Amino acid sequence: NAGVTQTPKFQVLKTGQSMTLQCAQDMNHEYMSWYRQDPGMGLRLIHYSVGAGITDQGEVPNGYNVSRSTTEDFPLRLLSAAPSQTSVYFCASSYHSTYEQYFGPGTRLTVT
Amino acid sequence: DAKTTQPTSMDCAEGRAANLPCNHSTISGNEYVYWYRQIHSQGPQYIIHGLKNNETNEMASLIITEDRKSSTLILPHATLRDTAVYYCIVMGSINTGTASKLTFGTGTRLQVTL
Repeated sequence: NAGVTQTPKFQVLKTGQSMTLQCAQDMNHEYMSWYRQDPGMGLRLIHYSVGAGITDQGEVPNGYNVSRSTTEDFPLRLLSAAPSQTSVYFCASSYHSTYEQYFGPGTRLTVT
Repeated sequence: DAKTTQPTSMDCAEGRAANLPCNHSTISGNEYVYWYRQIHSQGPQYIIHGLKNNETNEMASLIITEDRKSSTLILPHATLRDTAVYYCIVMGSINTGTASKLTFGTGTRLQVTL
């Protein structure tokens, strides 16, 4: 199993640009989530999904959209990038929100 | 979800046991204690979790006090590769009907030295 994969590893955007961060898992996990981590901070939950077709907001959802059309994929869309969205983004998956979560390697995003 | 309090940083000599404390005095009876760690720049890694009994796996041991208001994660023989930020998280569980989401604080930065 590849586990949780994220692409790209690094990305630089200009303010106002949009982009999609990709996340995929091959463990048939129902629960997937996106976190952001700012320097020196813990992880904050952006959006999560408990299964295909079902998504919900986390702690810091503004400026981000998600969709879950398949069990395997959970892309995160930045609608109009802002410097405040400069962060490291982690995707995670598990059988359920309270089970052991597996994290991807992260995407480092810089917005100038 | 119950809040947790952890020391900001700790040091440990390689080969010695690392004991990482966590206070969770407002924990409710059906909430679990989870531990994750984050090695520099990588995604967090699950270590162990428990409800009220002590737990052990290949990575670590988790000791939960009888009143469940605090716990200690023990890495029995710390190595340089255990240098990381360790997060103690209290969370409900589907098993107890109190499912909730993982919420990370700022954790304890463990530095293992030669």
